[in-house]
Amino acid sequence: QVQLQEPGPRLVKPSETLSLTCTVSGGPVRSGSYYWSWIRQPPGKGLEWIGYIYSSGNTNYYPSLRSRVIISLDSSKNQFSLNVRSVTTADTAVYFCARGVLDCRPTGCFEYIEYWAQGTLVTVSS
Amino acid sequence: QSVLTQPPSVSGAPGQRVTISCTGSTSNIGANYDVHWYQHFPGTAPKLVIYGNNNRPSGVPDRIAASKSGTSASLTITGLLAEDEADYYCQSYDTGLSGSWVFGGGTKLTVL
Repeated sequence: QVQLQEPGPRLVKPSETLSLTCTVSGGPVRSGSYYWSWIRQPPGKGLEWIGYIYSSGNTNYYPSLRSRVIISLDSSKNQFSLNVRSVTTADTAVYFCARGVLDCRPTGCFEYIEYWAQGTLVTVSS
Repeated sequence: QSVLTQPPSVSGAPGQRVTISCTGSTSNIGANYDVHWYQHFPGTAPKLVIYGNNNRPSGVPDRIAASKSGTSASLTITGLLAEDEADYYCQSYDTGLSGSWVFGGGTKLTVL
């Protein structure tokens, strides 16, 4: 059974860098057809996809965040990380790490998120 | 504003049927990209309830079903139970955003 674990709540000052790490158990991050993803939920709003890093190391980011976001893999620790630079109060949100999968069956191939962490609140405030 | 549009809320009495819509465009659902649905109880990890437009993962009851047509998709829950009260999100892929996953704004299901 795959489990994803995030750190506790964080407080980050405006203009600084938000850094989060997700620890994965139940399988190596460098194998399989997986999208190691970050999604966030601002207070009172819906889910917003931030980006992912594929098991091979390729990345894809939401266009409006692309200039400030880096997602990386650390196979030695079986973790993946999110860095968002130059944060503002608009980056205050619950941040979820998740595992997406490329699931190919006779009926076709599907990309979806199969496992999520519980989420961690990141507050941007001076 | 989300790329996929969902009603903010729906409600139904126990035992009834409710449907949640998810409206997209020709750059996502209408381009034949798959729609997936997640159930979210605030403070917990979201859970996949439908993948690939109409497929249920193991353990999801057959009271939950979904479909897709044109630029829209819908999630239907029949025989409503109190435990179904949660937020529901649709998700797809959008080519108009340089190839990105996109979510709906979420729908709060209230069981009356």
